[in-house]
Amino acid sequence: EDQVTQSPEALRLQEGESSSLNCSYTVSGLRGLFWYRQDPGKGPEFLFTLYSAGEEKEKERLKATLTKKESFLHITAPKPEDSATYLCAAQGAQKLVFGQGTRLTINP
Amino acid sequence: GAVVSQHPSRVICKSGTSVKIECRSLDFQATTMFWYRQFPKQSLMLMATSNEGSKATYEQGVEKDKFLINHASLTLSTLTVTSAHPEDSSFYICSAISGQGTDTQYFGPGTRLTVL
Repeated sequence: EDQVTQSPEALRLQEGESSSLNCSYTVSGLRGLFWYRQDPGKGPEFLFTLYSAGEEKEKERLKATLTKKESFLHITAPKPEDSATYLCAAQGAQKLVFGQGTRLTINP
Repeated sequence: GAVVSQHPSRVICKSGTSVKIECRSLDFQATTMFWYRQFPKQSLMLMATSNEGSKATYEQGVEKDKFLINHASLTLSTLTVTSAHPEDSSFYICSAISGQGTDTQYFGPGTRLTVL
C-alpha cells in the first residue's frame, strides 16, 4: 500500500533559524512528489512538484529536494509568515497520497 | 493561474437536510476534479474522483448515495451531502487538474460544514 510519512510532526524555530522537513514515501510507480502549504481553515496552496531523484526546486526561502525514498523541504532564514502546516503528497498509479503534515511555527 | 473556488465557505445546517457545495476552476478547464475531507489536525482523505461527463469514482468506505457528486462541465463540480448528520461535520476541500500533461492538483479554499 502506498504510504507517505512526514517528520517531525511539529517544529518550532526562531526567526532566521534554518531547518529541514522530511517526507518519506513508499509509492509504486511514482508520478510526482508534491509539497503544499496549508494555513488554518484554508485549502492547501501548491508549492512544488518534483518528478525524479536528484531534482531540486526553489521558491523564495524554500527549497525542495527529492531522492528515491524521501523528499526534503529546506527552509532558509524563515520569517513568522512562513508559519503553516506543510503537506507532502506522492502521486502513485492510483491516487495522490498525503502525509500527516508538519506544523511549522516561526517565532519572532 | 490555476485558481479553484468553492462555495459556500461555511455552512451550518440541521440534521436530516441536504447541503450542496460547488467547486469551480476559474482560469482553466478541469478534466478531473477531486473531493477530499479533512478532520481537525488530520491530513486530507480522498473521497472521490470525478471526470467531466462521467460518474464519480468513490474511495472505499465512502457512501456514494450519501455524497452525490456531479461534474457537469469542465469548470464545475458539485458535492451534495444528503440527509446530513452531525458526524458529517467536517472540512470539505475540492481540487482540480487541467490534464495538460501534469498531475498537479490545485485546491479550493475549502468548505466548513457543521451539522447540528
